[in-house]
Amino acid sequence: SQQGEEDPQALSIQEGENATMNCSYKTSINNLQWYRQNSGRGLVHLILIRSNEREKHSGRLRVTLDTSKKSSSLLITASRAADTASYFCAESGGSNYKLTFGKGTLLTVNP
Amino acid sequence: DTAVSQTPKYLVTQMGNDKSIKCEQNLGHDTMYWYKQDSKKFLKIMFSYNNKELIINETVPNRFSPKSPDKAHLNLHINSLELGDSAVYFCASSQDHSNTGELFFGEGSRLTVL
Repeated sequence: SQQGEEDPQALSIQEGENATMNCSYKTSINNLQWYRQNSGRGLVHLILIRSNEREKHSGRLRVTLDTSKKSSSLLITASRAADTASYFCAESGGSNYKLTFGKGTLLTVNP
Repeated sequence: DTAVSQTPKYLVTQMGNDKSIKCEQNLGHDTMYWYKQDSKKFLKIMFSYNNKELIINETVPNRFSPKSPDKAHLNLHINSLELGDSAVYFCASSQDHSNTGELFFGEGSRLTVL
């Protein structure tokens, strides 16, 4: 089964800097989603980008999708300490709604 | 109001025991899921139910048995627990199973098998 791969596995930046995380996937998708998981908590949906979209914005988040390269990136601008979390991409494809998650990027934003 | 709630949050038990985790969603969604997150944070789908009907059953040992008494509830029973079952189990729900929307997750149930 397909499985997204995030890159890098871990990222440490200073408050105010931008953070970019990348995701690669293996097969055709209907959409690709990004989720955040704070330590010890459940996953929270951030943004969904459909296969016919190339870029999407939501507040300080910008997601791009390149279906020819089977990759997506999540940019968080002007990061805050509260953005410290693991970020997962999840690909949606197939007849039944099965989200397949990548291994995640652990983002640490230092105050 | 908690949208997706699961209990218990923590579960510590001995190998060989049987345990259950319960999940409820008050979002009016049709579809519910169980995911397992291992120690490396890898999240893998186990089961999905749509309106009480099983629609996804990944390669999961038959010691794991999901039950959905109604579309707002999805429970997970695990028989003869093994060390490798230690993980965080997440319940989630979505509007339907049509590939169009987001998942709403519970806070997780951390299972430790000794």
